[in-house]
Formats: sequence, structure tokens, C-alpha cells
Amino acid sequence: AQKVTQAQTEISVVEKEDVTLDCVYETRDTTYYLFWYKQPPSGELVFLIRRNSFDEQNEISGRYSWNFQKSTSSFNFTITASQVVDSAVYFCALSEEGDDKIIFGKGTRLHILP
Amino acid sequence: GAVVSQHPSRVICKSGTSVKIECRSLDFQATTMFWYRQFPKQSLMLMATSNEGSKATYEQGVEKDKFLINHASLTLSTLTVTSAHPEDSSFYICSARALAMTSDTQYFGPGTRLTVL
Repeated sequence: AQKVTQAQTEISVVEKEDVTLDCVYETRDTTYYLFWYKQPPSGELVFLIRRNSFDEQNEISGRYSWNFQKSTSSFNFTITASQVVDSAVYFCALSEEGDDKIIFGKGTRLHILP
Repeated sequence: GAVVSQHPSRVICKSGTSVKIECRSLDFQATTMFWYRQFPKQSLMLMATSNEGSKATYEQGVEKDKFLINHASLTLSTLTVTSAHPEDSSFYICSARALAMTSDTQYFGPGTRLTVL
């Protein structure tokens, strides 16, 4: 069965600090997709990244970076030099090949303090 | 491209009334649309999957008679919450998958916040 665990319920850091959001997933499939979404207070989901199971290269996009490690079934997300605008709830999610469903983790609420 | 809209963005209704929420794909055709519910400070939970022209598939524990889903065209799906009660108050989010897209490509709407008094 699919499962996504975000063990950190809430994190607070001071602006300009780096912060890593953890995500651990479970799946029996060899082909699957992992996602990160940002949900600001407005509620709208903002897509951040999609990674398929065959691509273990780490990715960097500006201040955001993702570390995908199949050996530990983890897909962690790091924000460097955090800013107040990064404050939001971040969801990690998983979808298996051929399955319509996207399974979301419980989310990590990130507070960036000025 | 790939914009999904929802209407209304916010609705307040009295207990016992029915509320219809629309989900539209604005610039692509969506064979499949998904409805999620998110309670305050909780995760998104898939309620149902709707395919154009056929009956929706509901997740376990979701009452199909209470949450009526109609996917009448390739750009519109509607969710009707019938005889709404305060416990139905939630944030409802739809997503759409384009024709010929793989299962991982879903575009999310901005959500509808329902408050039942």
C-alpha cells in the first residue's frame, strides 16, 4: 500500500536559515512519482516538483533543492536562506504508475520568523 | 497553460441545503477529474475520481448519495453536497488530468471553502 510520512508537523526557523522538510514514502511499485506542493494561507496548492522513481538525481531550483534517495525511501526538501514568504504548509505526495490516486502526506507547517 | 478553476471560491450555507461546486479545466480537456477534501490543518483526502461520461468512483467511506459528482463534459465536473451539515464544512479541491497525460499529471484548482451553519 502507498503511504507518505511527513514526521515534522510544524517547524519554525528564523529568516535566512536553511530548513529541510523530511518525507518518507512506502510503495510496492517500481515505477512511481513523488511530488512536493506548497499550500500558502490562501489554500491554493502550488506545484513545486515531480520526480519519477528512475531519476535519482538531486534537483536544485533557486533556493529550493530536493534529495531523492531510493535506498531510504526518502524525498527531502531543503529551502536555503529561507524567507518569510516561504511560510506555508508543504505536502509531499506519491503516485504509482497506472493508479489515478495521488496520496498526500499530512504536511509540514513551516513558519519563517522575521 | 493547464489552468483549473473552481466556483465558487467560498460558500456559506444553512444546514440542510445543497451546494454545488464547479471545477473547470480552462485550456485543456480533462478526461479525469478528482475531488479532494481538506479539513482544517489536515491533509488532502481523495473523495472520488470522475471520468467524463461515466459514474464517479468513490473512495471508501465517502457517501456517494451525499456527494454527487457529475462529469458531463471534458472541461467540467461538479460536486454537489446534498443536505449539507456543519460537519461537511471543509476545503474542497478538485484536480484535472489532461487527455493522454500519465496518471501523475494532475492540475489543481484553487479550492472552495464550504461553511455550513
